[in-house]
Amino acid sequence: AQSVTQPDIHITVSEGASLELRCNYSYGATPYLFWYVQSPGQGLQLLLKYFSGDTLVQGIKGFEAEFKRSQSSFNLRKPSVHWSDAAEYFCAVATRDSGYSTLTFGKGTMLLVSP
Amino acid sequence: NAGVTQTPKFQVLKTGQSMTLQCAQDMNHEYMSWYRQDPGMGLRLIHYSVGAGITDQGEVPNGYNVSRSTTEDFPLRLLSAAPSQTSVYFCASTRQGGTEAFFGQGTRLTVV
Repeated sequence: AQSVTQPDIHITVSEGASLELRCNYSYGATPYLFWYVQSPGQGLQLLLKYFSGDTLVQGIKGFEAEFKRSQSSFNLRKPSVHWSDAAEYFCAVATRDSGYSTLTFGKGTMLLVSP
Repeated sequence: NAGVTQTPKFQVLKTGQSMTLQCAQDMNHEYMSWYRQDPGMGLRLIHYSVGAGITDQGEVPNGYNVSRSTTEDFPLRLLSAAPSQTSVYFCASTRQGGTEAFFGQGTRLTVV
C-alpha cells in the first residue's frame, strides 16, 4: 500500500523568508501528487497538483512544488511567506491501484509565521 | 454550482446513538469518498464509491456504513456512536480519472 510522509510536524518561518515543506511518498510507480492547505476550522483547498510532464509545477498563492522521481519527493516551496500563509499543509497521493479515486494523505505540517 | 455540500456542520451525539452525515455534490462526479481528520493523523479514508451502487472500504471503516443510490448523494451512517468517533469528517468528490478532489466544509462530530 502507498504511504505519504511529511517529516516536519511544525515549521516556524519569519514573514518574508522562504519556505520549503517536505513530502515523500512510497509507491511502486509515479502517483498523482497534490498539496492541500487547511486554515483553522476550514475545509481543504488545493494548492497544486502533478500528474506528469514538467516536474516543477506552479500553484495558487505563489506556491510551487518540484517532483523528484529519484527521491520520491514532492516538496512545496514559496519564495516569500506572508502571515496569511499560516495554516496546516497536507501532501497527498492518488494511485493507479485505486483508479485514482481516493487520496492517501500525509499527517500534515503546521506552518507558523513569525513577525 | 454549490460543489460538495455536507450537513450538519456540527453535531453532538451520545454514546450509542446513530446518525447520518449527509454529503451531496452537483458536479456529476463519479467518485465520492469519506475521510476523518484527527489531530496529528492527517485525513484517513473511511469508505468510498466509484459510482452509484458501488462502495468499498477504506483504511478505517469499522463503525460506519455507506450507500450510494444516486450519483449526487453519499451519506455516511454511524450505527452506534462511540467516543472514538469524535472527529472532523470530510466528504470529497472526484471526476473519473482522479484529476482533483473537491472537499466539503466538514462536519465536526463530538460523541459524549
